[in-house]
Amino acid sequence: QKEVEQDPGPLSVPEGAIVSLNCTYSNSAFQYFMWYRQYSRKGPELLMYTYSSGNKEDGRFTAQVDKSSKYISLFIRDSQPSDSATYLCAMRGTNQAGTALIFGKGTTLSVSS
Amino acid sequence: DSGVTQTPKHLITATGQRVTLRCSPRSGDLSVYWYQQSLDQGLQFLIQYYNGEERAKGNILERFSAQQFPDLHSELNLSSLELGDSALYFCASSVGADISSYEQYFGPGTRLTVT
Repeated sequence: QKEVEQDPGPLSVPEGAIVSLNCTYSNSAFQYFMWYRQYSRKGPELLMYTYSSGNKEDGRFTAQVDKSSKYISLFIRDSQPSDSATYLCAMRGTNQAGTALIFGKGTTLSVSS
Repeated sequence: DSGVTQTPKHLITATGQRVTLRCSPRSGDLSVYWYQQSLDQGLQFLIQYYNGEERAKGNILERFSAQQFPDLHSELNLSSLELGDSALYFCASSVGADISSYEQYFGPGTRLTVT
């Protein structure tokens, strides 16, 4: 079993839809949870960051972490064509040797106008 | 624009050859990370340098090596290249090396094709 599992999609939605992206993980030591967005032919960019369990909201984006279920989610409200990208979840434990991130393979999202 | 620069953008080479990828971190960032992204494996952490010293190692092959220079730029050397090494190679940087340095800024990547 891979440490981080993410449905690759593709996921296609109409403009204005609510999008739910998810990752599951197996390592209970993970404490830091991130979502990166990657546009085609670009490097990933940090979208949201959450520590431990709970919710975090930033504009149209909400990140949720459920450590008891080892499940994290990213919700996008009122999705826009500009949200079309690949979304990567990433997580990390409290590794004193460094800050290596473990990434999911990414979910490709397409928002049509 | 993240402020992280990588050269070259594209690299096409033959099996058995050696290549060097270059990365300049954001101004003020001391950590440099190297990642490999392929369709089947996703984004995989290779190695991290902090202020010139190796800090953490991930899934980096023995044929690969890296270093960080006094001006903080970093180079990733890939030798005895195989077809399976074809991938996107990303460099990322962050301010520090401790747990609080969760925010890593990625460069645009180098696309390596081994023929």
